[in-house]
Amino acid sequence: GNSVTQMEGPVTLSEEAFLTINCTYTATGYPSLFWYVQYPGEGLQLLLKATKADDKGSNKGFEATYRKETTSFHLEKGSVQVSDSAVYFCALSKNSGGSNYKLTFGKGTLLTVNP
Amino acid sequence: DTGVSQDPRHKITKRGQNVTFRCDPISEHNRLYWYRQTLGQGPEFLTYFQNEAQLEKSRLLSDRFSAERPKGSFSTLEIQRTEQGDSAMYLCASSPLWGLTGELFFGEGSRLTVL
Repeated sequence: GNSVTQMEGPVTLSEEAFLTINCTYTATGYPSLFWYVQYPGEGLQLLLKATKADDKGSNKGFEATYRKETTSFHLEKGSVQVSDSAVYFCALSKNSGGSNYKLTFGKGTLLTVNP
Repeated sequence: DTGVSQDPRHKITKRGQNVTFRCDPISEHNRLYWYRQTLGQGPEFLTYFQNEAQLEKSRLLSDRFSAERPKGSFSTLEIQRTEQGDSAMYLCASSPLWGLTGELFFGEGSRLTVL
């Protein structure tokens, strides 16, 4: 079956530090890959996405590249801010066959950025 | 605010009682999803509606759980004879019929505590 493995948290960084949150996946077919973010007191929201190998998703200074050869989709940001403090979830959905609307999530990584 | 809304936000109940959660999706979103999230875990898929039709149910959805979307708009998730293991955050999400599968719009969730 499909699965997503995320770097264990929590992660604590100082403002302007470099961020990497690792994500690897197992899936049949060719999934689409996503990073969702949950800010304190808010619902999950899509941060970025990639639909095929070598695609790079980007938003709000965050980037992730779909690496088929390593089955990875690591999240990076060059300079984090206090406002980036949140829980980050890596997720996939299948692109082919049935159930292509169903997301499989990782466990989430809590990021805390200190001033 | 025209996002996904869920009610109640928090429900505390005694074991054996029935509870019902309501979800109002973004208007004109044909697809509606329920997920469950327990502490330290990512959201897990429960069920999916396309308009009023319930097209898929996870094996996580035992016979005590029932979901409806009678007119293809709001949805309810009922849990009968609650157990302590049902304590979790119940998330609702919606998406349009077109567009990238996996790009979901989540509500803030309904937290269930079973005593």
